[in-house]
Amino acid sequence: EDKVVQSPLSLVVHEGDTVTLNCSYEVTNFRSLLWYKQEKKAPTFLFMLTSSGIEKKSGRLSSILDKKELFSILNITATQTGDSAVYLCAVARGSTLGRLYFGRGTQLTVWP
Amino acid sequence: ETGVTQTPRHLVMGMTNKKSLKCEQHLGHNAMYWYKQSAKKPLELMFVYNFKEQTENNSVPSRFSPECPNSSHLFLHLHTLQPEDSALYLCASSQDGVLGNIQYFGAGTRLSVL
Repeated sequence: EDKVVQSPLSLVVHEGDTVTLNCSYEVTNFRSLLWYKQEKKAPTFLFMLTSSGIEKKSGRLSSILDKKELFSILNITATQTGDSAVYLCAVARGSTLGRLYFGRGTQLTVWP
Repeated sequence: ETGVTQTPRHLVMGMTNKKSLKCEQHLGHNAMYWYKQSAKKPLELMFVYNFKEQTENNSVPSRFSPECPNSSHLFLHLHTLQPEDSALYLCASSQDGVLGNIQYFGAGTRLSVL
């Protein structure tokens, strides 16, 4: 059975801290891994990773994929209260048309 | 604004009612999706439409009936729902089901079944 596991499930930090969110997966015929941020309602796209070892970066957020060990991390440096959200990890398989397999998400709370 | 619009944003219905959720995307995508998001659970894929054709039905009960009249619009018709169907229903779209792994989500409809 395919699965995507995120850890921790929740995390509370103070502004300025650096956080690392984890996503491990057991999915056959892996194609890509995606990170989303969900604040109020709509998950918004952050990164898509397809190749091992190549870091994707956007401002204070960065992510990397390890296809050998089957995991990805999402790093957020110098956290701000606006980073408070649920961060979702999803994996796409090559054999299923458009389907994404989601983890339960990590609830990040950043205190001022 | 993600380019995917869902209406209504909130819906309260009794178990004997019939209602419909609407999703419209302005991104020129060819694939559309319905997801159910319940507390403490991963997003559950319900239906996938690719070029207006349903390509996946993830064992969804028949009280949920999707309709995709064109690539820009997706509906979810609801009838005789159960209280456990209360959840956030999210619509998403992507370029197409094969190459477009990046899905763009609407803000969702928060459904409460009494």
